[in-house]
Amino acid sequence: DAEITQSPRHKITETGRQVTLACHQTWNHNNMFWYRQDLGHGLRLIHYSYGVQDTNKGEVSDGYSVSRSNTEDLPLTLESAASSQTSVYFCASRGQENSPLHFGNGTRLTVT
Amino acid sequence: GQQLNQSPQSMFIQEGEDVSMNCTSSSIFNTWLWYKQDPGEGPVLLIALYKAGELTSNGRLTAQFGITRKDSFLNISASIPSDVGIYFCAGPGSNSGYALNFGKGTSLLVTP
Repeated sequence: DAEITQSPRHKITETGRQVTLACHQTWNHNNMFWYRQDLGHGLRLIHYSYGVQDTNKGEVSDGYSVSRSNTEDLPLTLESAASSQTSVYFCASRGQENSPLHFGNGTRLTVT
Repeated sequence: GQQLNQSPQSMFIQEGEDVSMNCTSSSIFNTWLWYKQDPGEGPVLLIALYKAGELTSNGRLTAQFGITRKDSFLNISASIPSDVGIYFCAGPGSNSGYALNFGKGTSLLVTP
């Protein structure tokens, strides 16, 4: 069965360090997304990609970057981790418009 | 981005009770979606609505796309303990094509 997997599931890092969260999907979807989930804010869009070499900023993109070198992967990088980036991060993908958005099981990141 | 106002923020009910939650948008939507997030997992699509006035059921769940296209509600009948989770409404993002804009969620707790 096709799936979308995130790694690691949990990560603790120190302020100022660079951190990369992995996302891998086997749906062969062109469209991939990163969201963060915080109490009182729901799910907010960080970055998204509509295909290889395409990346776009979402609502809360400051301090984050993504790259899309193949269809399956969209890694999310925190250039210099800050305590405000402590959150649960979800990767998602979808096919055509009106098709379901499939989520991974999330990465819980703590920045100390 | 478009504002999605979801209410109530949380609900604490007894098993067997019916539940109703709703979502309003600051602008017109052509799609309304309802997702459920179980603890420790990513959100999963429950119901998708594509036409104003549409009423769609999925087991004990019923959702409606408001006539004004600016609102939607989700009802759960005869709640059971496994209904526990966070319910999100979602609609198309205004500037991000295939990405979805999510409400802040309704947290549902069901006591046996």
